[in-house]
Amino acid sequence: KQEVTQIPAALSVPEGENLVLNCSFTDSAIYNLQWFRQDPGKGLTSLLLIQSSQREQTSGRLNASLDKSSGRSTLYIAASQPGDSATYLCAVHDDKLIFGTGTRLQVFP
Amino acid sequence: GAVVSQHPSRVICKSGTSVKIECRSLDFQATTMFWYRQFPKQSLMLMATSNEGSKATYEQGVEKDKFLINHASLTLSTLTVTSAHPEDSSFYICSAILATNEKLFFGSGTQLSVL
Repeated sequence: KQEVTQIPAALSVPEGENLVLNCSFTDSAIYNLQWFRQDPGKGLTSLLLIQSSQREQTSGRLNASLDKSSGRSTLYIAASQPGDSATYLCAVHDDKLIFGTGTRLQVFP
Repeated sequence: GAVVSQHPSRVICKSGTSVKIECRSLDFQATTMFWYRQFPKQSLMLMATSNEGSKATYEQGVEKDKFLINHASLTLSTLTVTSAHPEDSSFYICSAILATNEKLFFGSGTQLSVL
């Protein structure tokens, strides 16, 4: 049974810091892995999608990596801003979409 | 923990038929539910936000007359794909917000295949 874990559960950093969010999964037989952000009271916003054959994806200040063999993905956020404050979720897609527990990020000025 | 049940998990239908997908919050009341879809090799995208007792709010590019959303009770939202066509074949998933901590809980998804 696929299990997805995110560490840390919460993170508070000053503006400008580079930071890394971690996602681990137990079964490497996945189609893809996605990173999302969730703002309070809102649905998900898709950030990055990494296909199983890919190693990383980049979008602006975000970079996500995927290491299937070790069952890990990281989301790197460069030069963090207060507007990055949100909950970040990773999800792996095998037969179902399995979400991690999320990391609640707060970036303070 | 909170559980969201989505049914059916897979459906195969003929072109032109309508398909209803149910999303239930089993042990909590969800005033807001979200519907997403994911085409093969693409990201999960929000389709609409469903609020109990009011009309759903659709994202740009999503046809409200084609994707009918009903959120008649605090524990049930339904998505009906009307007159489905092969291009509607996709993975549909719902989520509900737990009001006490604003965490999202997800259904297990529905794989729709339109022949």
